[in-house]
Amino acid sequence: GAVVSQHPSRVICKSGTSVKIECRSLDFQATTMFWYRQFPKQSLMLMATSNEGSKATYEQGVEKDKFLINHASLTLSTLTVTSAHPEDSSFYICSAWGAGELFFGEGSRLTVL
Amino acid sequence: DQQVKQNSPSLSVQEGRISILNCDYTNSMFDYFLWYKKYPAEGPTFLISISSIKDKNEDGRFTVFLNKSAKHLSLHIVPSQPGDSAVYFCAASYNQGAQKLVFGQGTRLTINP
Repeated sequence: GAVVSQHPSRVICKSGTSVKIECRSLDFQATTMFWYRQFPKQSLMLMATSNEGSKATYEQGVEKDKFLINHASLTLSTLTVTSAHPEDSSFYICSAWGAGELFFGEGSRLTVL
Repeated sequence: DQQVKQNSPSLSVQEGRISILNCDYTNSMFDYFLWYKKYPAEGPTFLISISSIKDKNEDGRFTVFLNKSAKHLSLHIVPSQPGDSAVYFCAASYNQGAQKLVFGQGTRLTINP
């Protein structure tokens, strides 16, 4: 079946640094990918819709200059958390539609010290 | 504003018995509902879905019921197995099969042997 892969699965960084998370569709092309964030004991919150070849669409309250999304190819979207702070520590998950089903990546746990 | 709510953060069920997970929603525009299962450190995986034109959808041990007048859906798992222990998220979307999903907070199901 269709697979979506994220990398890295875990990342620890210092406050003020930037972190890039990759989301790849391994055996299908995805013109649209989605980025979610999940805080402990809370629901998955949609952050943005990543569109191949165009600008991402951000949900209300999500800072586009802080969470940079690039969808340069049909199989890769990247999320860069710029100038990360401890409050950005969370579980970030991407998803993409393939064969009529929404597939999720494994998630990336970001810890900002 | 939590549009999709799972009011039970956890549920414990004996192996072989029925597990019932509940989900409520507030937005009457939602017309497609899904259940996802999530293991620790993994992304959610699709379980079962239902369109608003139906009130029941069954797939093996999993059945989803939709009560549109009450804006309530439930997932029944019978018989419950230890491998069913996971966090279950319900999700809703505005258009039939639309790509943007709104998730509930999740319910942690534990199946006891």
